[in-house]
Amino acid sequence: QLVLTQSPSVSASLGASVKLTCTLSSGHSTYAIAWHQQQPEKGPRFLMKLNNDGRHTKGDGIPDRFSGSSSGAERYLTISSLQSEDEADYYCQTWSTDIRVFGGGTKLTVL
Amino acid sequence: EVQLVETGGDLIQSGGSLRLSCAASGFTVSTNYMTWVRQAPGKGLQWVSVIYSGGTTSYADSVQGRFIISRDTSKNTLDLQMNSLRVEDTAMYYCARVRYCGADCSPPVWYFDHWGRGTLVTVSS
Repeated sequence: QLVLTQSPSVSASLGASVKLTCTLSSGHSTYAIAWHQQQPEKGPRFLMKLNNDGRHTKGDGIPDRFSGSSSGAERYLTISSLQSEDEADYYCQTWSTDIRVFGGGTKLTVL
Repeated sequence: EVQLVETGGDLIQSGGSLRLSCAASGFTVSTNYMTWVRQAPGKGLQWVSVIYSGGTTSYADSVQGRFIISRDTSKNTLDLQMNSLRVEDTAMYYCARVRYCGADCSPPVWYFDHWGRGTLVTVSS
């Protein structure tokens, strides 16, 4: 069964970098995923599509501070030079044939 | 510029019906896969329904037989007819455009590349 697993929360300091992780379930390590950001009281925003080899395609207007990488079944979202507006929930997502899944989301707190 | 704007959310009693609409600009709804995703208060994102470019539809088990997704080509909108509403349908409803990653992804996957701001549906008992 295709499942995406995310840590529930993470915190990092203003100006620092943070790396969020989305883990694909066993047998699905080659799947590409998408990262989405949801700021408080707003709709989700597409950040990037991330392939299993680390290549990623960003959405419109997404700053260079946001980057993606992959290792095995792990898909990473790295945010550098953290700003207050980066405080948000981050979801990974994928969809293959009839299986459409979201990760549970990671709440990022910027200290 | 791609934009999606949802309307139609409301407070409604259990058992009632509601129709949501998503107005699209910057692209043509009928030539894309389009989807509805919902988010219950304080919870994560949950996929609801999709309409493929060819017109085929699919639904989550939780709404199958109660919700109907459709599109209006003349208005360039995506709609969601919600019948027999339940308290557990209470959520913010988002429409999103779906993109396909084929040759570049193994296996091929679909993902959501533009989202609306959402419309709130509250079902009371």
